[in-house]
Amino acid sequence: KAGVTQTPRYLIKTRGQQVTLSCSPISGHRSVSWYQQTPGQGLQFLFEYFSETQRNKGNFPGRFSGRQFSNSRSEMNVSTLELGDSALYLCASSLADSYEQYFGPGTRLTVT
Amino acid sequence: AQSVTQLDSQVPVFEEAPVELRCNYSSSVSVYLFWYVQYPNQGLQLLLKYLSGSTLVKGINGFEAEFNKSQTSFHLRKPSVHISDTAEYFCAVSGAGGTSYGKLTFGQGTILTVHP
Repeated sequence: KAGVTQTPRYLIKTRGQQVTLSCSPISGHRSVSWYQQTPGQGLQFLFEYFSETQRNKGNFPGRFSGRQFSNSRSEMNVSTLELGDSALYLCASSLADSYEQYFGPGTRLTVT
Repeated sequence: AQSVTQLDSQVPVFEEAPVELRCNYSSSVSVYLFWYVQYPNQGLQLLLKYLSGSTLVKGINGFEAEFNKSQTSFHLRKPSVHISDTAEYFCAVSGAGGTSYGKLTFGQGTILTVHP
């Protein structure tokens, strides 16, 4: 069974631009969570989607948003990029009502 | 809310020696606990999990961990490490309950370096 896939793997954007990252969960997994990983703040939870609905949200500004499609694929969007948004963005998927998450390889976003 | 403290930021060890990576957690509700490993430029791989039942859990690559509710700890151990175990290890916690689905709280990570 294929794992969680994330595209693109690497991205370079300019401050003020917006970006969209994509995540395809493991087949059969209906929950998708997003995390931001930085050297200073570590791994921080952004939000979680299940059946196209946001069920849980972390403490990030409104510039960070996401959505989930009917096939469980998810996207996250960051608008008005700031230098501090440079990070590894990780997506994880899990079965419905499961706490066990499986992670993708991440998207490395660099904001210049 | 939950929090996780990994007590060592870096642990150097020689090959074939035993190792313990320490993790303490805090939570006002029951928890589920996880250890993940991250190799350079990769995502996180689940090593093992505690959901319920036996407090000693075994995972992949010869790792095991013991859940100690009274000490709120979930330390990771391996009796004999290999060079290939060099990586960063993360302890994570989820609150048990519907509002906690999909949200893991992570520790700051422990870099394990295995020397020949």
